[in-house]
Amino acid sequence: GIQVEQSPPDLILQEGANSTLRCNFSDSVNNLQWFHQNPWGQLINLFYIPSGTKQNGRLSATTVATERYSLLYISSSQTTDSGVYFCAVEMRGTSGSRLTFGEGTQLTVNP
Amino acid sequence: DTEVTQTPKHLVMGMTNKKSLKCEQHMGHRAMYWYKQKAKKPPELMFVYSYEKLSINESVPSRFSPECPNSSLLNLHLHALQPEDSALYLCASSRRGDGRRGSPLHFGNGTRLTVT
Repeated sequence: GIQVEQSPPDLILQEGANSTLRCNFSDSVNNLQWFHQNPWGQLINLFYIPSGTKQNGRLSATTVATERYSLLYISSSQTTDSGVYFCAVEMRGTSGSRLTFGEGTQLTVNP
Repeated sequence: DTEVTQTPKHLVMGMTNKKSLKCEQHMGHRAMYWYKQKAKKPPELMFVYSYEKLSINESVPSRFSPECPNSSLLNLHLHALQPEDSALYLCASSRRGDGRRGSPLHFGNGTRLTVT
């Protein structure tokens, strides 16, 4: 199956700092999503981004499908950004329903 | 607030009990999912329903039995569980169920299950 590798595994920031999270995947994809899981377990969809660039407030994401990676940018981080960020992908040619999740990046933003 | 509603939020059950987890969405989504998540691990897919039909079963033990009564509801029936089944159970939905391409996945807040 497709392999998904996220880096870094852990990241500690001071409030106001910027950061970049990376997701590498081993095969062509038709579905790539970024999620944030807060400390209470709530899992929020941030971006559906199989290719290209999207922005939503302080967050933006870029997927370079031909080079098999995606980046999530967090600017001016806030303590509420803390939690785990997951990248999830599905291989091209499959049904569009079987996402494979990476192991996640644990982000801690200190005040 | 999430648009996928799961009940109960917490559940403690013995190994001989029968219980059910419930999930509801009113976004008109045609695909619904059950995921299991252990502490400090990513979610793992269990089942997918597409247009109210079971389309994916990821070799889940029969003590977990999914049911999709209609396009808005998804249940997970639990029977004779083991302590290692303790986990966060997440329901999700997405717009498309036709398999042609993916669409954003929306998760509920989950049910935290403890099996004693």
